[in-house]
Amino acid sequence: DQQVKQNSPSLSVQEGRISILNCDYTNSMFDYFLWYKKYPAEGPTFLISISSIKDKNEDGRFTVFLNKSAKHLSLHIVPSQPGDSAVYFCAASARRGNTPLVFGKGTRLSVIA
Amino acid sequence: ETGVTQSPTHLIKTRGQQVTLRCSSQSGHNTVSWYQQALGQGPQFIFQYYREEENGRGNFPPRFSGLQFPNYSSELNVNALELDDSALYLCASSYKGQGEDTQYFGPGTRLTVL
Repeated sequence: DQQVKQNSPSLSVQEGRISILNCDYTNSMFDYFLWYKKYPAEGPTFLISISSIKDKNEDGRFTVFLNKSAKHLSLHIVPSQPGDSAVYFCAASARRGNTPLVFGKGTRLSVIA
Repeated sequence: ETGVTQSPTHLIKTRGQQVTLRCSSQSGHNTVSWYQQALGQGPQFIFQYYREEENGRGNFPPRFSGLQFPNYSSELNVNALELDDSALYLCASSYKGQGEDTQYFGPGTRLTVL
């Protein structure tokens, strides 16, 4: 049973436009959510996180939105750049990150120049 | 500040052999977690070490074992390797304190079992 789901395996976006990556979760105990970016042959790189006490967190071009009632979060990248092309993983944990991370299967983002 | 490092980068073993993977945590971090990432999947939690003790374990058999040393570095040992153990093994370090616990990953070790 997948507790964290990323239903879009891939996404293509034009350079300069907005990229929206989605993630759904089923476990209501999750209270801390993270996005990681992964290039081939590298480990996941931490991008941005959000605690369940917030519904939005911004860091430069990256914004994460959390809708607790829908158990849904999304990552917005504006404007998208070719260097953003990578696999993006959504991860969740309980007790503010003090339980193991549960990952989705990832979404491959391709930003086309 | 030194990030998380892992060794070796790649490893090829045969079925039935044993392997040891190593991880150095980011400076200031006291917790190490290990994950297995199979092709096309997200990382799956193997176990976590905090203050040299196992602090949680995922759904992996006992032939997966680990250690954490006083300097917070860690080892993952896998005995009696099986073909399905072929994967990318990721180590993540974090600081377990009073705040939120964000994990930072190393580059991974690619294990191939033939």
